[in-house]
Amino acid sequence: GENVEQHPSTLSVQEGDSAVIKCTYSDSASNYFPWYKQELGKRPQLIIDIRSNVGEKKDQRIAVTLNKTAKHFSLHITETQPEDSAVYFCAASKSTSGTYKYIFGTGTRLKVLA
Amino acid sequence: NAGVTQTPKFRVLKTGQSMTLLCAQDMNHEYMYWYRQDPGMGLRLIHYSVGEGTTAKGEVPDGYNVSRLKKQNFLLGLESAAPSQTSVYFCASRDPGLGRQFFGPGTRLTVL
Repeated sequence: GENVEQHPSTLSVQEGDSAVIKCTYSDSASNYFPWYKQELGKRPQLIIDIRSNVGEKKDQRIAVTLNKTAKHFSLHITETQPEDSAVYFCAASKSTSGTYKYIFGTGTRLKVLA
Repeated sequence: NAGVTQTPKFRVLKTGQSMTLLCAQDMNHEYMYWYRQDPGMGLRLIHYSVGEGTTAKGEVPDGYNVSRLKKQNFLLGLESAAPSQTSVYFCASRDPGLGRQFFGPGTRLTVL
């Protein structure tokens, strides 16, 4: 079945360093790839997304890259801050007969050490 | 706009009891989704709806039923709760223009 693998499951970085989280998807028809940040006890919040016709997208300290050939996409956070500590989820989505479903990765717990 | 809201926020049930979780959105979105979130397993799709009066099964539908009688509301029902249904439940709706999902605040359900 359709699957999204996410690595690593936990990641600790020093404040100011960069963090990279990687996801691999199985369905080559997937065409939309969002990233969510979830703080403890809160709802997932969209932080950045990318579509299959774009290779890279950047928003301040956050960037996402997409390699369609290899079927993987990555989240890059630069100049990490303690408030970046959270669980991050990737997802892949496609349209099937006009229906949109999203497959989520299992999450990465990011800890930014002050 | 309130966005996506969920009631209740917390609930404790005994095995065999029934309950309904309510999701409401005021963004006029056609698509709505119910997910469950368990430790280490990400978000898994239970049921979804592509519009008023329609529902469909997701990845883990067993033990749950849904209804979408009004466009703004999506109800998730547990007819006979089991301890395996202890989880955090999130509802979401989809913005048709950008394809983005907006999540509700979640319902933490414990089944004893």
